[in-house]
Amino acid sequence: GAVVSQHPSRVICKSGTSVKIECRSLDFQATTMFWYRQFPKQSLMLMATSNEGSKATYEQGVEKDKFLINHASLTLSTLTVTSAHPEDSSFYICSARDPPPRSSYNEQFFGPGTRLTVL
Amino acid sequence: AQKITQTQPGMFVQEKEAVTLDCTYDTSDQSYGLFWYKQPSSGEMIFLIYQGSYDEQNATEGRYSLNFQKARKSANLVISASQLGDSAMYFCAMREGMSTGNQFYFGTGTSLTVIP
Repeated sequence: GAVVSQHPSRVICKSGTSVKIECRSLDFQATTMFWYRQFPKQSLMLMATSNEGSKATYEQGVEKDKFLINHASLTLSTLTVTSAHPEDSSFYICSARDPPPRSSYNEQFFGPGTRLTVL
Repeated sequence: AQKITQTQPGMFVQEKEAVTLDCTYDTSDQSYGLFWYKQPSSGEMIFLIYQGSYDEQNATEGRYSLNFQKARKSANLVISASQLGDSAMYFCAMREGMSTGNQFYFGTGTSLTVIP
């Protein structure tokens, strides 16, 4: 399957700082990437859809000024949590699709996730 | 209304036994895809199996099979011959339509524990 990487895998920061998370498709070009947030023992909540070369589409209730998404190239999308607070602590996962023919089902390939802890 | 419903927060199964994880879905689209993902404690999401809405046969991938009942809108995952490494969270997901840009809807997940 296609490979998606995320960096960093874990980050601890002080309240008020900004944190940038990178999501890369390593062996394919991804025009669309997705950013999810997952609280412990809960499901993935879609935050936004990141489109290369255009503005991200945010889900209802997600603050676009707080969670800045930049999809500057076909292999990289970044999520910046601005002025992070303890309630932003969560597991953030990105995903991307590798279109057919390699992806038979249009399934999403997920990055390994980033665990953010805001002190 | 929830697009994907998983009613089993936690399940236990004896090693080498089979287990069924339930999933029901809600859509008015004729074309959709159903997916199951496994999430071990490390957090990565691992794709397991896919069923298309037009597929007449149930999908199978090794020890995984999907019991697709379209009229009942259910897509249960069956894991045969459970192994200790199967202990993880399992998520059912749906994509409406076939476009690569369409989002996935995830269920709340089922935590599976395999008992030796």
